[in-house]
Amino acid sequence: DIVMTQTPLSSPVTLGQPASISCRSSQSLVHSDGNTYLSWLHQRPGQPPRLLIYKISNRFSGVPDRFSGSGAGTDFTLKISRVEAEDVGVYYCMQATRLITFGQGTRLEIK
Amino acid sequence: QVQLVQSGAEVKKPGASVKISCKASEYAFSGFAIHWVRRAPGQSLEWMGWINIDNGDTKYSQKFQDRVTITRDTSARTAYMELSSLRSEDTAVYHCVTNPGLGRLDPWGQGTLVTVSS
Repeated sequence: DIVMTQTPLSSPVTLGQPASISCRSSQSLVHSDGNTYLSWLHQRPGQPPRLLIYKISNRFSGVPDRFSGSGAGTDFTLKISRVEAEDVGVYYCMQATRLITFGQGTRLEIK
Repeated sequence: QVQLVQSGAEVKKPGASVKISCKASEYAFSGFAIHWVRRAPGQSLEWMGWINIDNGDTKYSQKFQDRVTITRDTSARTAYMELSSLRSEDTAVYHCVTNPGLGRLDPWGQGTLVTVSS
């Protein structure tokens, strides 16, 4: 299985400030079709996860443009340009190149 | 956009089985897959398997291969996940989720809490 490793596991941030989460895969996520199936999801307490970003950098429907994704191969990053109160929760990276595996999750909290 | 509604919470004894349902809203129940993902307390999300709604093909995580069965009833617009030989470590919230494209898991069902306790 592909192992996904996120850093940091916890991120206290100030409202209005940027935040960044890294995700590294144990092997390249480039699919045989040429795409890289790396996604980011957000889960608020008591709610199901919600898709934010797919194929490294594509924002899903309704996702604010303060969220952006980047990276290639085995190293990926999710950035929030200005953190808002509703952004608290746990963020997961996920690969779907070979079956599906998730990172451990990064808890974003407000200082 | 399809919406998914799952069955209610379950309490099971070790060794028993649980079967959770996931019903799609008024929408064409075809052309996509349904995945099952769980989150145990203090753990990350864990993918269990998926089913192709059109032809019923399934693929399971190696971890659950021997204990999980995913099925669907197209006339009822419902998918099912059955997990057998339950143990305390299977206590978790189980979600169904569709994928409108590879790597795009959305939307998610609300989740079903399964508690395994003697």
